[in-house]
Amino acid sequence: NAGVTQTPKFQVLKTGQSMTLQCAQDMNHNSMYWYRQDPGMGLRLIYYSASEGTTDKGEVPNGYNVSRLNKREFSLRLESAAPSQTSVYFCASSEARDRGLWTFGSGTRLTVV
Amino acid sequence: SQQGEEDPQALSIQEGENATMNCSYKTSINNLQWYRQNSGRGLVHLILIRSNEREKHSGRLRVTLDTSKKSSSLLITASRAADTASYFCATASNDYKLSFGAGTTVTVRA
Repeated sequence: NAGVTQTPKFQVLKTGQSMTLQCAQDMNHNSMYWYRQDPGMGLRLIYYSASEGTTDKGEVPNGYNVSRLNKREFSLRLESAAPSQTSVYFCASSEARDRGLWTFGSGTRLTVV
Repeated sequence: SQQGEEDPQALSIQEGENATMNCSYKTSINNLQWYRQNSGRGLVHLILIRSNEREKHSGRLRVTLDTSKKSSSLLITASRAADTASYFCATASNDYKLSFGAGTTVTVRA
């Protein structure tokens, strides 16, 4: 099915380990986003990429890095995982900021122990 | 800080009743969107209302927007058990960001 695909779906890391969350979309969207969702807090924007070749910080970027590999793919990297990064991570894409057609992936549940 | 704030935090209704939830936001917006999230799942886009619109309908959903009060409401009519979910409002400003509120958890009792 067309949409946003995230891998992995689940991951357990030890404190200090690194990992990369992968995201790919097949809708030819220009913009891509990474959010985290913590209980009772809704979604918070980590990083976004308005178009291929650009990335910008969102609300909670500390401890993360991103790469817009091409128009389809946008990865999120945790260089040294901390327990505070235990969360559910969602990738999303949109055609344009004012068209509002956002599509979300099914999420990655990350636990840092 | 989050742009949108939903009210109430939780809502429990009987099947067939209507559910209303509200969203307030702080800064000017380009559009406001409502999403549904079933437990443990991703977000599903429900409806979008632009800043120059006041009301929008989609099936059993009715959304209003009052930009003077910086608020929106989502009404679900004739609720069903399948409507049990968390509902989030999200605001899009004149940048590329979509800011979410903390959500309203709706439980529809059979």
